[in-house]
Amino acid sequence: QKEVEQDPGPLSVPEGAIVSLNCTYSNSAFQYFMWYRQYSRKGPELLMYTYSSGNKEDGRFTAQVDKSSKYISLFIRDSQPSDSATYLCALHGSSNTGKLIFGQGTTLQVKP
Amino acid sequence: GAVVSQHPSRVICKSGTSVKIECRSLDFQATTMFWYRQFPKKSLMLMATSNEGSKATYEQGVEKDKFLINHASLTLSTLTVTSAHPEDSSFYICSAKPARTSENNEQFFGPGTRLTVL
Repeated sequence: QKEVEQDPGPLSVPEGAIVSLNCTYSNSAFQYFMWYRQYSRKGPELLMYTYSSGNKEDGRFTAQVDKSSKYISLFIRDSQPSDSATYLCALHGSSNTGKLIFGQGTTLQVKP
Repeated sequence: GAVVSQHPSRVICKSGTSVKIECRSLDFQATTMFWYRQFPKKSLMLMATSNEGSKATYEQGVEKDKFLINHASLTLSTLTVTSAHPEDSSFYICSAKPARTSENNEQFFGPGTRLTVL
């Protein structure tokens, strides 16, 4: 079983839709949960990070962590064509090594 | 702030040659840099962790003699793919962790280097 599972998609939605992206994980030691956005042929950029369980909101983006279910989500409200990209979840534990474990990434296409 | 650059952005080389990729943190010092490899439509696979002034730590299955890493300063790490072969063709991405303490171990990624070995 992979440490982090993420549906690769692709996910295609109309402009303005609410998008839900998800990852599941197996190691309960993970405490930091991040979402990165990666445009084609570019490096990933950090969108959101959450520590432990709970919600975090930033503009149109909301990150949710449910540690009891080992399930994390990223919601995008009022999706825009410019949101079309690959979204990767990334997790790491409490150690200070900085090693991130990435999900496979979900490719999102927002159609105008 | 927190910009990481990579050079070159794209390189095409013949089989058997060596290729050096540079990763620089432009406006911060990074005691730790990470090198990833990404195949098309796949996730990032951590290859090695590079610490300034010490030997890199390689992930299981990554050949240290094949992928030479040097972290000579707090702003520069290099990855050299030695005797490259077509199967080494991939997208190589570095990330840099700022020297300042950060509870979430925040990393900043470079734009990546596309390596094609003919």
